[in-house]
Amino acid sequence: QVQLVQSGAEVKKPGSSVKVSCRASGGTFSSYPFSWVRQAPGQGLEWMGRIIPIFGTANYAQKFQGRVTITADESTTTAYMELSSLRSEDTAVYYCARGAAAGGINFDYWGQGTLVTVSS
Amino acid sequence: SYVLTQPPSVSVAPGQTARITCGGNNIGSKSVHWYQQKPGQAPVRVVYDDSDRPSGIPERFSGSNSGNTATLTISRVEAGDEADYYCQVWDSSTDRLYVFGTGTKVTVL
Repeated sequence: QVQLVQSGAEVKKPGSSVKVSCRASGGTFSSYPFSWVRQAPGQGLEWMGRIIPIFGTANYAQKFQGRVTITADESTTTAYMELSSLRSEDTAVYYCARGAAAGGINFDYWGQGTLVTVSS
Repeated sequence: SYVLTQPPSVSVAPGQTARITCGGNNIGSKSVHWYQQKPGQAPVRVVYDDSDRPSGIPERFSGSNSGNTATLTISRVEAGDEADYYCQVWDSSTDRLYVFGTGTKVTVL
């Protein structure tokens, strides 16, 4: 059974950066796309970007371009999302999600979520 | 960019049928996926590719998609179905590859 386990909650100051990890187990890692999706308090789901580890390059939503970096380490089957220049509006739960087989156009497994709080 | 519109809320009595719509321009030409999210939990996929169910999802969950509207139908609603539901499509024409709907809160009366 595939499991995605994320790192713990973070409290950050405005202007700083946060790096969240997502360790995958129980399935093939390198050939699946791994996305990051965030959810602000009381709001909906918002896709930020994704990476296919075997290719190494990431795609980002324009909204986050320049502030987000998604990477993957095949040796540890872990995906990472780093968000910089944090502001209060970035306070949210950040989820990693695996793209399903056959194109990865939907998400079959999700991490448990990581709460990032940005506050002075 | 592509926009998916859902009703904010749907209320249904136990044992009845809940229908959640997801509107988008010519959405019938796309594959639609649905997720259930209970408070404090990660989303769970309940329908994919318009009408397929992942293993472990009850047959009470079904989906359809045509024209400008996709629909998630929950038959014989139970108290445990109370949750937020999101539709999602893949849109490779823009930078926002995965587009989510606005979400619908299903309340079981």
